[in-house]
Amino acid sequence: NAGVTQTPKFRILKIGQSMTLQCTQDMNHNYMYWYRQDPGMGLKLIYYSVGAGITDKGEVPNGYNVSRSTTEDFPLRLELAAPSQTSVYFCASSPQGAFNSPLHFGNGTRLTVT
Amino acid sequence: AQTVTQSQPEMSVQEAETVTLSCTYDTSESDYYLFWYKQPPSRQMILVIRQEAYKQQNATENRFSVNFQKAAKSFSLKISDSQLGDAAMYFCAYISSGTYKYIFGTGTRLKVLA
Repeated sequence: NAGVTQTPKFRILKIGQSMTLQCTQDMNHNYMYWYRQDPGMGLKLIYYSVGAGITDKGEVPNGYNVSRSTTEDFPLRLELAAPSQTSVYFCASSPQGAFNSPLHFGNGTRLTVT
Repeated sequence: AQTVTQSQPEMSVQEAETVTLSCTYDTSESDYYLFWYKQPPSRQMILVIRQEAYKQQNATENRFSVNFQKAAKSFSLKISDSQLGDAAMYFCAYISSGTYKYIFGTGTRLKVLA
């Protein structure tokens, strides 16, 4: 099993550009999450999904959008990129009904907006 | 609102010595789980150990153990016989049965001195 796969690993965007961070998992997990990691700030939840067709906002959703058309995929869309979105982005998943299950993380995407 | 606090931004330990990383949390829930994750320079998030709130016995995983003080809402991580490979960021995380959201602390950077 590949687990949680994120692409790309690195990306540089110019202010105002858009992009989609891809995330796919092959563990049939219903729960999926997007976090951003800023230095000294830990991980902040952007969006999460409890199943295909269901998404909800986390702590810091502004400037982002998500969709969940399949169980496997949970892409994160950045519209009109801003320098404040420079960060490392992590996608994660966990099994349904197992709130005690640890998160399975992708390897992250380092995004720089200049 | 639930919060997780890691008050030590950085810690150092001599190789083969023992170090304790602190974590406190705030919650009114009675059913929850706590986790410690390790993030080495590779950026990968790795589960170190987890603790169920209703279990009084402290969790252990080889050289890693926790001191779980439920009344004090404290969840510290003890690393024994520290190794150079233990150098990483360590994140404390919390999730309760009433939510799908994992809450992370801001992290502690551990340096291991040869």
